[in-house]
Amino acid sequence: DGGITQSPKYLFRKEGQNVTLSCEQNLNHDAMYWYRQDPGQGLRLIYYSQIVNDFQKGDIAEGYSVSREKKESFPLTVTSAQKNPTAFYLCASAMTGGNQPQHFGDGTRLSIL
Amino acid sequence: QQQVKQSPQSLIVQKGGISIINCAYENTAFDYFPWYQQFPGKGPALLIAIRPDVSEKKEGRFTISFNKSAKQFSLHIMDSQPGDSATYFCAARWNSGYSTLTFGKGTMLLVSP
Repeated sequence: DGGITQSPKYLFRKEGQNVTLSCEQNLNHDAMYWYRQDPGQGLRLIYYSQIVNDFQKGDIAEGYSVSREKKESFPLTVTSAQKNPTAFYLCASAMTGGNQPQHFGDGTRLSIL
Repeated sequence: QQQVKQSPQSLIVQKGGISIINCAYENTAFDYFPWYQQFPGKGPALLIAIRPDVSEKKEGRFTISFNKSAKQFSLHIMDSQPGDSATYFCAARWNSGYSTLTFGKGTMLLVSP
């Protein structure tokens, strides 16, 4: 089945450690997105990418980094510079052009040890 | 200017009743307004969407009403069912060329049996 796979489902980070969240899609979508979700805060955009080897900062990019080496993959690294990383992280993808909806994965919950 | 304000934060409706969630925006560059439904531990899923040149769109028990002059739009869930209990997010797409979405903070709906 086509879809978006995020892994792992749960992740724990130690102080000063970088961690990488995986996002893979087999929908042949050009655009991919990373959001952070905190209780009562909705979804906030971290980074997005429209094509391979190109990405833009969203509203809360500080302390995060991404890469887009393949169309299917858009991993997010939460660096040690992100002082409050505990959150639910959601990856999405979409076709570009027209009113194409964003399709979401089932998220990764990151916690601090 | 890119904010989308959503209300209420939480809502309890009896089975068979009408659930109403409201959203408002300021930026007239928004050109597409989707609603997402999210169950605990899952990613949001597109429920219904509308363009600003349409005043109402209905899909089954779900209706979006759109008031362009007031810059407001709302989701109505008719004959609400316990299975509709979820968090609902309105969103607006900024027609910047990158098609990013700005989300409201969400409404937690509980439909009591």
